Amino acid sequence: KAGVTQTPRYLIKTRGQQVTLSCSPISGHRSVSWYQQTPGQGLQFLFEYFSETQRNKGNFPGRFSGRQFSNSRSEMNVSTLELGDSALYLCASSLSTGVSYEQYFGPGTRLTVT
Amino acid sequence: AQTVTQSQPEMSVQEAETVTLSCTYDTSESDYYLFWYKQPPSRQMILVIRQEAYKQQNATENRFSVNFQKAAKSFSLKISDSQLGDAAMYFCAYIADSWGKFQFGAGTQVVVTP
Repeated sequence: KAGVTQTPRYLIKTRGQQVTLSCSPISGHRSVSWYQQTPGQGLQFLFEYFSETQRNKGNFPGRFSGRQFSNSRSEMNVSTLELGDSALYLCASSLSTGVSYEQYFGPGTRLTVT
Repeated sequence: AQTVTQSQPEMSVQEAETVTLSCTYDTSESDYYLFWYKQPPSRQMILVIRQEAYKQQNATENRFSVNFQKAAKSFSLKISDSQLGDAAMYFCAYIADSWGKFQFGAGTQVVVTP
């Protein structure tokens, strides 16, 4: 079974631009979560989507948004990019929502904002 | 608020030896899950081991085992017979139903020397 895939793997954007990252979960998985990883803040939860609905949201500004499609693929969007948004963005999928379901992580998208 | 603390930024171990990584957490929940994730240089997060708080028996996965002390809120990971492939950043993580989101520690870099 194919793992979680994220596209693109690397991205360079300019401050003020917007960016969209994509995550395709493992087949059959309906929950997708997004995390931001930076050297300073570590791994931080962004949001979780299940059945096209946002279930949980972390403490990030409204510039960070996401959505999930009927095939469970998810996108996250960051508008008006800031230098501090440079990070590794990880998505993880699980069969369903709830803490008992194991999360499987993708390889991440490395975003650099210049 | 829930917090996860990994007090060892880096641990060095010789091949075939044993290393123990410490993790403490703060919570008022009685039911939750604890995890150890491995992140090698490829940045892919890999689940090493998981522990359900209501289970008193310590989890083991081949050369990896945990020492779960619920009362002390401690969750250490022991890597036995260390191999070069064990070199990675290891993250301790916590999740509870009421919180619904992973809370990660800052990570411990494991260096394996021949």
